Amino acid sequence: EAGVVQSPRYKIIEKKQPVAFWCNPISGHNTLYWYLQNLGQGPELLIRYENEEAVDDSQLPKDRFSAERLKGVDSTLKIQPAELGDSAVYLCASKGSGANVLTFGAGSRLTVL
Amino acid sequence: GDSVTQMEGPVTLSEEAFLTINCTYTATGYPSLFWYVQYPGEGLQLLLKATKADDKGSNKGFEATYRKETTSFHLEKGSVQVSDSAVYFCALTLQGAQKLVFGQGTRLTINP
Repeated sequence: EAGVVQSPRYKIIEKKQPVAFWCNPISGHNTLYWYLQNLGQGPELLIRYENEEAVDDSQLPKDRFSAERLKGVDSTLKIQPAELGDSAVYLCASKGSGANVLTFGAGSRLTVL
Repeated sequence: GDSVTQMEGPVTLSEEAFLTINCTYTATGYPSLFWYVQYPGEGLQLLLKATKADDKGSNKGFEATYRKETTSFHLEKGSVQVSDSAVYFCALTLQGAQKLVFGQGTRLTINP
């Protein structure tokens, strides 16, 4: 089966510009996650979806970050405007019902200049 | 809150050396424990897991035993290869919590 697909893999933008990342989870996986991975650190949860509902977004900086999962499949994470400190890798993961193992995508590496 | 602490890296070893990467956790309940590996340029991949005390997870020659008494889940491999060079993450999830909490990662480099 196809894995979790993310795009773009790399993005370089200037500060104050907007950026969006896209994630296509494994087919049939109801739970979708966005994690932030800063350089040299472990991933940290930004938001978790159960189908189309955001059930845990407590760590999402809502002043500049937004996410959506229309129709409970693909998801988009947006940053507007981007800041220098947003340079990081944004990871998407998905999980099937009843499972306790997350499958991760390759990540989207953002560089803000 | 729930947390995971890993030994600091980077760790550099010669091929065929014995590997240990320490991991301890703090959790209010009874977590499931995981090791994920991130090869250069790739996403996180599940390496092994254990869901209850005294369980041993194993894969690709790596092993880790869930030690409730010491709240640890140390990763071991008897003879490492150059291809094992990667960043290793210890993580936990609590039943019902539905999310992974990661340690900071340990970068491993194996020299031929």
